[in-house]
Amino acid sequence: GAGVSQSPRYKVTKRGQDVALRCDPISGHVSLYWYRQALGQGPEFLTYFNYEAQQDKSGLPNDRFSAERPEGSISTLTIQRTEQRDSAMYRCASSLEAGGDNSPLHFGNGTRLTVT
Amino acid sequence: AQTVTQSQPEMSVQEAETVTLSCTYDTSENNYYLFWYKQPPSRQMILVIRQEAYKQQNATENRFSVNFQKAAKSFSLKISDSQLGDTAMYFCAFMKQNNNNDMRFGAGTRLTVKP
Repeated sequence: GAGVSQSPRYKVTKRGQDVALRCDPISGHVSLYWYRQALGQGPEFLTYFNYEAQQDKSGLPNDRFSAERPEGSISTLTIQRTEQRDSAMYRCASSLEAGGDNSPLHFGNGTRLTVT
Repeated sequence: AQTVTQSQPEMSVQEAETVTLSCTYDTSENNYYLFWYKQPPSRQMILVIRQEAYKQQNATENRFSVNFQKAAKSFSLKISDSQLGDTAMYFCAFMKQNNNNDMRFGAGTRLTVKP
């Protein structure tokens, strides 16, 4: 399809396991963003990329979280040694222009992560 | 499936004036929530206002109010007495009731408040 695609749609994992969440942005979009949304909360910024370069990772909650976008297209958000508090909806968004200030965000449908 | 449409990619308004951002949505659900979020340059998503579909009264938060037209599936945001700090991207979002935060976002409207 033409939209932002995230996989898997649902992920259930046991505490202590590593998980990798994938985001496939709209083709040609320069910027890619990751957000986390806990139950009852609004989206929380995690990190974003322009092309393959990670511009801002100040929102990553701790060093168990990392993200990459090696070829400037698909991005992977990795959570190591998952904890129950990591359970949330993880959302990816992309925008055509760098920085997103003048370009709308297109959101994927998210990956719902449940850590048991 | 639910879709959210924001037909205005960019808007501008003079400081102290009023501006209205449009949002329409498509759903077959009867019970749901609608939201407006603000995204400043920090990339945080800040909740501006929230409306429950079962409430006929339009939600209001200080200078922010909505015009919720359920039959027309329209949910516009009015910002009164615009301030420079209102400059941001604004996203309209839809969520089915009891759907565990499965939100659907519009593409956003870039609002610029001019001094």
